[in-house]
Amino acid sequence: DAKTTQPNSMESNEEEPVHLPCNHSTISGTDYIHWYRQLPSQGPEYVIHGLTSNVNNRMASLAIAEDRKSSTLILHRATLRDAAVYYCILRTGGSYIPTFGRGTSLIVHP
Amino acid sequence: NAGVMQNPRHLVRRRGQEARLRCSPMKGHSHVYWYRQLPEEGLKFMVYLQKENIIDESGMPKERFSAEFPKEGPSILRIQQVVRGDSAAYFCASSPGATEEKLFFGSGTQLSVL
Repeated sequence: DAKTTQPNSMESNEEEPVHLPCNHSTISGTDYIHWYRQLPSQGPEYVIHGLTSNVNNRMASLAIAEDRKSSTLILHRATLRDAAVYYCILRTGGSYIPTFGRGTSLIVHP
Repeated sequence: NAGVMQNPRHLVRRRGQEARLRCSPMKGHSHVYWYRQLPEEGLKFMVYLQKENIIDESGMPKERFSAEFPKEGPSILRIQQVVRGDSAAYFCASSPGATEEKLFFGSGTQLSVL
């Protein structure tokens, strides 16, 4: 199964940008990179996904390295409501089980 | 368009009882995944189902746990003879397809075994 590695935790100040890294060195050509986040006492929610090109939506931006072995989720201006656990996973045509690691716990300071 | 619905939100059982957790996927979604989450831990895959079929149950304990996704009605995760170690949050997710499409999660069922 393709795997991802993320730092256990990161901290940020409110209204500053946050860059959350993810390594996926065994990624294959058909793997999509997905990001989800889980707020306290809630189910995970979709944030963004991409294949090769950088992606933007109203929640965040996804920057994908040229070799696709790593990616970065960018929150342009962190708010207290962005404090959550962020998961980076691979959605692949080769393995249909979405596997979640422990994610990165983002702490946002006022 | 309602999201993924899970019920009950909280379930309390005594040791030895049965727990039935329900998940109604989003309209048009035929793929359902169940996950278990212990406190301070990540999501652990349990089972992947399509309508009337179990596709992968490699994450399910061999005994006491079963899952179904009938042609009509919600997906059910059933835990027989619950033990204290079954206490956890159980989440289901649905997607329209099996591969690159995004997952939609429910709010989860918090199971507490006394």
